[in-house]
Amino acid sequence: NAGVMQNPRHLVRRRGQEARLRCSPMKGHSHVYWYRQLPEEGLKFMVYLQKENIIDESGMPKERFSAEFPKEGPSILRIQQVVRGDSAAYFCASSPPGTATNEKLFFGSGTQLSVL
Amino acid sequence: AQSVTQLGSHVSVSEGALVLLRCNYSSSVPPYLFWYVQYPNQGLQLLLKYTTGATLVKGINGFEAEFKKSETSFHLTKPSAHMSDAAEYFCAVSDYGNEKLTFGTGTRLTIIP
Repeated sequence: NAGVMQNPRHLVRRRGQEARLRCSPMKGHSHVYWYRQLPEEGLKFMVYLQKENIIDESGMPKERFSAEFPKEGPSILRIQQVVRGDSAAYFCASSPPGTATNEKLFFGSGTQLSVL
Repeated sequence: AQSVTQLGSHVSVSEGALVLLRCNYSSSVPPYLFWYVQYPNQGLQLLLKYTTGATLVKGINGFEAEFKKSETSFHLTKPSAHMSDAAEYFCAVSDYGNEKLTFGTGTRLTIIP
């Protein structure tokens, strides 16, 4: 049973380009979370999704950032018109359906986004 | 709002010595508390968690943590450090039913041979 898979591991973009980060949750998991880790900081919650639904996006920047988790395929975190301040490690986590799912989070290895 | 404070961004201990990583939290409701470990170039791995019940929680790799409500603390300990314990450690808090974890800024643990 593969863990949470994120790709790419490293992504380099120039200012103004788009970044697409992918996350495939563990088998049987229907909840996906995205966190961002800025240098020298802890992880900050961005968004919580279930299949085809955004449940909580209170941590997402209001502009340029969007996330989806379609019925089929991986979850995508999309950043439009990237700026240098978007450079960070982006982590995806998944959990199975049910209550208290924050107890059963599994994290991927992250995508390191570098904006030139 | 919840918050987590990890005292000491870098901690160094000798191999075989006691490991103590500090975590204090702020929460308006009974919290769920977690410790995660992050090895280089890897994702976070759950070490242990406190939800309800016994306040002394044992985790993987010989680590344990004690929830002390009066001190709003959840410090992580290990009696004898091993070289393989070198990593970054994150304390996190959440509410029951709240899917968001609030993380501390992390403590980088170095083991001295």
